[in-house]
Amino acid sequence: GQNIDQPTEMTATEGAIVQINCTYQTSGFNGLFWYQQHAGEAPTFLSYNVLDGLEEKGRFSSFLSRSKGYSYLLLKELQMKDSASYLCVPLDSNYQLIWGAGTKLIIKP
Amino acid sequence: GAVVSQHPSWVICKSGTSVKIECRSLDFQATTMFWYRQFPKQSLMLMATSNEGSKATYEQGVEKDKFLINHASLTLSTLTVTSAHPEDSSFYICSASKGLATDEQFFGPGTRLTVL
Repeated sequence: GQNIDQPTEMTATEGAIVQINCTYQTSGFNGLFWYQQHAGEAPTFLSYNVLDGLEEKGRFSSFLSRSKGYSYLLLKELQMKDSASYLCVPLDSNYQLIWGAGTKLIIKP
Repeated sequence: GAVVSQHPSWVICKSGTSVKIECRSLDFQATTMFWYRQFPKQSLMLMATSNEGSKATYEQGVEKDKFLINHASLTLSTLTVTSAHPEDSSFYICSASKGLATDEQFFGPGTRLTVL
């Protein structure tokens, strides 16, 4: 079966750094997306990794290890507006996005 | 660029009525459009994938006669919830892709449907 494992909820402090881990099992693999979803809103794209390694984009970085079925999203210099759910979304062999419930990140002042 | 709009943003209707939701890609041609449903605190659930000019591909368990999808042009797809019931109340989100499956999906803002 296909499975995504992320923490249900995390709490961090404004200005700090937080790493959201994700492990996945899919039927084949064609890359992995990270999306951000604020409560009551649609997801917005953050990153796409298909090769192993770290991709940096401003305050957000995403890492992928295909052999370990592992990815993480690193958020630096946290701001209150970063409070949202973060969705780790692998793309399987049929190019289907596999959606989980994501990690709810709470930022405290 | 890559903006997707949805209309309406929210709708309340009586049980048994039909509701149409429009999804438009405003500044690009969307080869493929996707329709999702999301219940509170749950993950997005893909309902169907539609390509312009062809029939939509529905996910297992989604009734194609109840959720009618029309993808008449490269910038417009519509989802009609026929004979809506309270259990159809949900957050419906469309997304659009420019081409490849590895391209990011651009999401519309969603439509919150409440069926009384």
